[in-house]
Amino acid sequence: DAKTTQPTSMDCAEGRAANLPCNHSTISGNEYVYWYRQIHSQGPQYIIHGLKNNETNEMASLIITEDRKSSTLILPHATLRDTAVYYCIVRVAGNQGGKLIFGQGTELSVKP
Amino acid sequence: GAGVSQSPRYKVAKRGQDVALRCDPISGHVSLFWYQQALGQGPEFLTYFQNEAQLDKSGLPSDRFFAERPEGSVSTLKIQRTQQEDSAVYLCASSHSPFDQPQHFGDGTRLSIL
Repeated sequence: DAKTTQPTSMDCAEGRAANLPCNHSTISGNEYVYWYRQIHSQGPQYIIHGLKNNETNEMASLIITEDRKSSTLILPHATLRDTAVYYCIVRVAGNQGGKLIFGQGTELSVKP
Repeated sequence: GAGVSQSPRYKVAKRGQDVALRCDPISGHVSLFWYQQALGQGPEFLTYFQNEAQLDKSGLPSDRFFAERPEGSVSTLKIQRTQQEDSAVYLCASSHSPFDQPQHFGDGTRLSIL
């Protein structure tokens, strides 16, 4: 599985969009990009995933560059409850089981 | 609907004791994973089940760690002769199918070895 690089920490003002970048320059054509977040003392929470196309759901949007070497997770209107560690993970498509390999993630602090 | 449930939420044991941690996955989920999360680190994979079959146990750190899922639903992670370095949060996750499905995590068991 490809390695990902994320900033260690970021701040965002409440109500503004939070844009979390991730580099995955060695990603293969059959690898998905997954995003999870972990709020203190809770288990990781699935946010969104994508292969090539941009994706949107009720929680966030995922923008993947055309060369697939980087992506951005967008929380359109950040709230204090979005304060968490955000993990960007690449995972081989069609891989039976598909264990997740977590890095250090980005610690996002949403401030009033 | 019910999510992944883990028990106990907290466990304190003396070094050398055996412990058992339980995971109730989401009903009908075929795949089940165990992860270990040390303080300040991301979760690390321990083992994977598809139904009752343990297909990957490459992440288990030693032969003191043992996991089972005898009926393809509830799983137990057992640690024998615990050591201080076993102190961590143990997370369980399940997914509906073995392929390309998101994993849904429980809130973990925080294990402290004294």
